[in-house]
Amino acid sequence: GNSVTQMEGPVTLSEEAFLTINCTYTATGYPSLFWYVQYPGEGLQLLLKATKADDKGSNKGFEATYRKETTSFHLEKGSVQVSDSAVYFCALSKQGAQKLVFGQGTRLTINP
Amino acid sequence: DAGITQSPRHKVTETGTPVTLRCHQTENHRYMYWYRQDPGHGLRLIHYSYGVKDTDKGEVSDGYSVSRSKTEDFLLTLESATSSQTSVYFCAISDVRGSPNTEAFFGQGTRLTVV
Repeated sequence: GNSVTQMEGPVTLSEEAFLTINCTYTATGYPSLFWYVQYPGEGLQLLLKATKADDKGSNKGFEATYRKETTSFHLEKGSVQVSDSAVYFCALSKQGAQKLVFGQGTRLTINP
Repeated sequence: DAGITQSPRHKVTETGTPVTLRCHQTENHRYMYWYRQDPGHGLRLIHYSYGVKDTDKGEVSDGYSVSRSKTEDFLLTLESATSSQTSVYFCAISDVRGSPNTEAFFGQGTRLTVV
């Protein structure tokens, strides 16, 4: 079946540090890949997405590249801010199947 | 922000009682979903709907039922609540139009505690 695995959290960094959150997936065919972010007390919101191999999604300084050869979609940001503190979810959806499959989430805390 | 309202936002109920959670949208999106969020599991799909009166099961549907009598409303019912159903429940909507790439919009969640 389809599944998503994220790096274990929580992750704690200092402001302006480089961020990587690893995400790998298992799926047949060619899924679309997403990163969602959940700020405290809120629902999830889309951060970025990529729909085919080698696509790069980007938003708010975050980037992730769809790597089919390594079945990965790692999230990166060059310089994090306190306001980036949140829980980050990697997810996939399959062609013709309109349902998201989520990873377990990674809690990120940025200290000033 | 997408117009999605979940009610109630918080609920405490006793084991064995029925509970209904409501999701209301003002976006006229075709697809509606119910997820539950638990530590270590991320979000898992309970049920979803692809139109009025058209629903299907997700990966964790046991103990839950849903109904969609109008485009804008999607109800999740726990027929007899158990402690294992203590969770945060999220409703989501999408206007897929045949593509899996369309963004899903999430409500703010309902925290349900079964005691």
